[in-house]
Amino acid sequence: GQQVMQIPQYQHVQEGEDFTTYCNSSTTLSNIQWYKQRPGGHPVFLIQLVKSGEVKKQKRLTFQFGEAKKNSSLHITATQTTDVGTYFCAGRGSGYSTLTFGKGTMLLVSP
Amino acid sequence: NAGVTQTPKFQVLKTGQSMTLQCAQDMNHEYMSWYRQDPGMGLRLIHYSVGAGITDQGEVPNGYNVSRSTTEDFPLRLLSAAPSQTSVYFCASSYGNRGLNTEAFFGQGTRLTVV
Repeated sequence: GQQVMQIPQYQHVQEGEDFTTYCNSSTTLSNIQWYKQRPGGHPVFLIQLVKSGEVKKQKRLTFQFGEAKKNSSLHITATQTTDVGTYFCAGRGSGYSTLTFGKGTMLLVSP
Repeated sequence: NAGVTQTPKFQVLKTGQSMTLQCAQDMNHEYMSWYRQDPGMGLRLIHYSVGAGITDQGEVPNGYNVSRSTTEDFPLRLLSAAPSQTSVYFCASSYGNRGLNTEAFFGQGTRLTVV
């Protein structure tokens, strides 16, 4: 079955530092989604990437989908305390109807 | 617009008891799914449904049953609760009969403890 690996598991940064989380799939993905979960909350959709090599930006967040459609990354520039939470990638393999989630990267930002 | 509503928010069960976690969505989404979230394990798919009357197993289906008699509701039944089922359960829904290329909307979650 599909496997989606996400690193790092945890990262603690000072406010203003950059942050990156990486996602790797064992199989080629048809698309990949990113979610954010605040402490005690539920996952909230951030973005979806579909095309090989695709790059999308949302303010300080930059999302990339690899050329081979097997890896993805989320980069946050100049983190803020509001960025605290766990970031999940979720991939959908070709021919699959279900999303496979990575284990998430927990981000802690100190002021 | 309520989105995805899960009840209850918290539940404590004794080993061997059964219960049903409720999930309802008002967005007319065809695709619904149940996940469990354990520390360090991410979200693991339990069961999913691509439409009323159609359900299928996910990654960790043992000990759980589902049914989908209407588009709106997708209850999750624990047949005989075990301590290993202590977890946070999330219901999610997506537009389209396979949820393809669409975002998942999650409920607030049910925190279940089995003692």
